[in-house]
Amino acid sequence: DAGVIQSPRHEVTEMGQEVTLRCKPISGHDYLFWYRQTMMRGLELLIYFNNNVPIDDSGMPEDRFSAKMPNASFSTLKIQPSEPRDSAVYFCASTRHGQGTNEKLFFGSGTQLSVL
Amino acid sequence: KNEVEQSPQNLTAQEGEFITINCSYSVGISALHWLQQHPGGGIVSLFMLSSGKKKHGRLIATINIQEKHSSLHITASHPRDSAVYICAVQGGSEKLVFGKGTKLTVNP
Repeated sequence: DAGVIQSPRHEVTEMGQEVTLRCKPISGHDYLFWYRQTMMRGLELLIYFNNNVPIDDSGMPEDRFSAKMPNASFSTLKIQPSEPRDSAVYFCASTRHGQGTNEKLFFGSGTQLSVL
Repeated sequence: KNEVEQSPQNLTAQEGEFITINCSYSVGISALHWLQQHPGGGIVSLFMLSSGKKKHGRLIATINIQEKHSSLHITASHPRDSAVYICAVQGGSEKLVFGKGTKLTVNP
């Protein structure tokens, strides 16, 4: 398997623009996570899905952020409108089954987002 | 106070040295993860453990549930081990809470 695939690798946009980040999890994995990493706050969970259903979105900063998982092989994280403070690295990760199953988490390469 | 505390924040070692990175947490957990983030930014899961000890190559992870403490050890360290090592704890759901990371530099 190619691993978790994220696109784009880098995104530079202007404040107010819509940004869409994409993720393809590993085939057969039924959990998908979106994380954000900044120097100040480190890694933070934004939202996670189980079998395409959002389970916990308490980490989504505000209504400008939305995430969807229309099928088992694709998820998007959208920011509209984007703001400079959204600049960060956004990681997608997936795993098979759930807690207690000793399944490791597999991360994508991340999307470096810069909002000017 | 962060739920997950790592020490040290930065660590510099000479090639061949034995390295220990510590992680303490304040909440009950179901599992603890150790992650490695390479200088290029990619993140790799090293271990997931809920008790005892796990070993993979030169890496050893231990956890003491009663003391709410975990350690990551690297034996015979090598410059390619230079990375940020991140501890994360998992409570009653799939949500992970992360430490700030320990930046390890191994000099040749």
